[in-house]
Amino acid sequence: GAVVSQHPSWVICKSGTSVKIECRSLDFQATTMFWYRQFPKQSLMLMATSNEGSKATYEQGVEKDKFLINHASLTLSTLTVTSAHPEDSSFYICSPGGRTYEQYFGPGTRLTVT
Amino acid sequence: DAKTTQPPSMDCAEGRAANLPCNHSTISGNEYVYWYRQIHSQGPQYIIHGLKNNETNEMASLIITEDRKSSTLILPHATLRDTAVYYCIVMANFGNEKLTFGTGTRLTIIP
Repeated sequence: GAVVSQHPSWVICKSGTSVKIECRSLDFQATTMFWYRQFPKQSLMLMATSNEGSKATYEQGVEKDKFLINHASLTLSTLTVTSAHPEDSSFYICSPGGRTYEQYFGPGTRLTVT
Repeated sequence: DAKTTQPPSMDCAEGRAANLPCNHSTISGNEYVYWYRQIHSQGPQYIIHGLKNNETNEMASLIITEDRKSSTLILPHATLRDTAVYYCIVMANFGNEKLTFGTGTRLTIIP
């Protein structure tokens, strides 16, 4: 299967600071990147979809100015949580699109905002 | 995408076959049935998918009813490592299509 990495795997930050999460598609070129988040005991919810070289499309209720997505290359996408607050504590997962039949997911990044 | 219904939880004894049902009564003719699972604190993992024929791979078997309104994922010899949340998803496109996750079935394998 596809190899997808995320960095960091977990991060703790203080309220008001920003955190950048990297997602790398290691063995294929991802024209599309999906970003999901998952709160404890809940299912994954899509936050945004980005296409390489263009602006991301955000799902309803997701603040685009708070969750900055950059998809500057076919193998790297970043999600920056700006001015993080405790309610942003969640498990963030990326998923590169562009493959046939299967979609693969990164291992996830657990963000804890104190 | 069509909606799916799964039992919230199931238990299965280690070494036995785990049969996970999914109802998708409003599935369209061009929609596939996909199964993913998520082990605790990991990203989802693709298991198998099918359109109308039964499918088998090294991980599992997928049985789709003739009317395609339901399906069953079968893990033939469950191990403790199969404890996870299993998601049944139906979708027409793939690759660049976002996945809509329901609540899934929390499968617990009991030693």
